[in-house]
Amino acid sequence: GESVGLHLPTLSVQEGDNSIINCAYSNSASDYFIWYKQESGKGPQFIIDIRSNMDKRQGQRVTVLLNKTVKHLSLQIAATQPGDSAVYFCAENNGSARQLTFGSGTQLTVLP
Amino acid sequence: DTGVSQDPRHKITKRGQNVTFRCDPISEHNRLYWYRQTLGQGPEFLTYFQNEAQLEKSRLLSDRFSAERPKGSFSTLEIQRTEQGDSAMYLCASSPEDRETQYFGPGTRLLVL
Repeated sequence: GESVGLHLPTLSVQEGDNSIINCAYSNSASDYFIWYKQESGKGPQFIIDIRSNMDKRQGQRVTVLLNKTVKHLSLQIAATQPGDSAVYFCAENNGSARQLTFGSGTQLTVLP
Repeated sequence: DTGVSQDPRHKITKRGQNVTFRCDPISEHNRLYWYRQTLGQGPEFLTYFQNEAQLEKSRLLSDRFSAERPKGSFSTLEIQRTEQGDSAMYLCASSPEDRETQYFGPGTRLLVL
């Protein structure tokens, strides 16, 4: 079936470096994408979202890039900080349904 | 705190018992969602309400599961005759009518012994 998935299950970066977390999706009908951060024992926290009519969106220290040609989504975190250590999920919504379909997540570890 | 709240945060029960969880969405969010998350996985959709109407249900929502949102505000999720496979984090989210962004609560972690 169609699903959202992540390329790498774990990512370790040095504090201060930039992080890039990747996500592949297969549902060509998806028109809304969202990134969440989840710390241990907590619910997912909204980071940034993007609609399919855009290819880039920036927030505070974060940028989401969408490449519809290859069905790829990425989250860039600038100047990664220890507080950024968490599991990051991408999710998609195909518009007709209200449910979000999540990938399995990437564990980001920030090294001192 | 005006975020999504869930109660209880943790629940331990014995197999065969019934459990009920509560979710209070962000004020004025008319859409409410339930998801289930198992260890190491992303959340999986269970059901969705718009106001008091339950509009979508996942195949994951077996007949032992029932969700309600009687007055279009808070929602309850009940699991009857719990099984060990029901052990998971149950997440609630809400969104306003004019946006698709779903805001999640802290979750209720269920352990069925």
